[in-house]
Amino acid sequence: GAVVSQHPSWVICKSGTSVKIECRSLDFQATTMFWYRQFPKQSLMLMATSNEGSKATYEQGVEKDKFLINHASLTLSTLTVTSAHPEDSSFYICSITRQGEKAFFGQGTRLTVV
Amino acid sequence: SQKIEQNSEALNIQEGKTATLTCNYTNYSPAYLQWYRQDPGRGPVFLLLIRENEKEKRKERLKVTFDTTLKQSLFHITASQPADSATYLCALEVSGYSTLTFGKGTMLLVSP
Repeated sequence: GAVVSQHPSWVICKSGTSVKIECRSLDFQATTMFWYRQFPKQSLMLMATSNEGSKATYEQGVEKDKFLINHASLTLSTLTVTSAHPEDSSFYICSITRQGEKAFFGQGTRLTVV
Repeated sequence: SQKIEQNSEALNIQEGKTATLTCNYTNYSPAYLQWYRQDPGRGPVFLLLIRENEKEKRKERLKVTFDTTLKQSLFHITASQPADSATYLCALEVSGYSTLTFGKGTMLLVSP
């Protein structure tokens, strides 16, 4: 099965700075990767679908200029939180899946903006 | 509006008993329903997938049922163990799309 590696597992940054989170598919060429955000005791909310070689598709209410997604290769997608604010503090998780199949998730990144 | 509902309160059971978790949904016609386990500070891990034309699926101590008329799935863990303590998420996939929509999850606590 596919293995997904996400880095870093946690990060603390100052308000106004940017943070990049990497998601790597270690043994599977993923043309599509998904980025989720999870607040405490809440469900995983899909933020965007990352498409290799093209623009990401963002869910309603997610600011594309704030959450920059780059999927430059079949094994790497990055999410950059720009001009981070305390309300962006959350647990960010990436995943890969194919229609009708199980999803593989990264370990998640705990972002704390101070 | 579309909703996926799981028991928000934690389920406390004794070791050896069967845990039953519920997932109800409205205004969806899922092609697939999946169950995941999530430990604190970790990403979800896949457990079972059941298709709309399947009634039941089993894997070792796990069993999932899927009733598309009631719009409900039940997830059972038999002979539960303290190591089964975690949050369990149900997720729906609508036909033609590979994105998953998740419920909030139910925390299961198995006491020795």
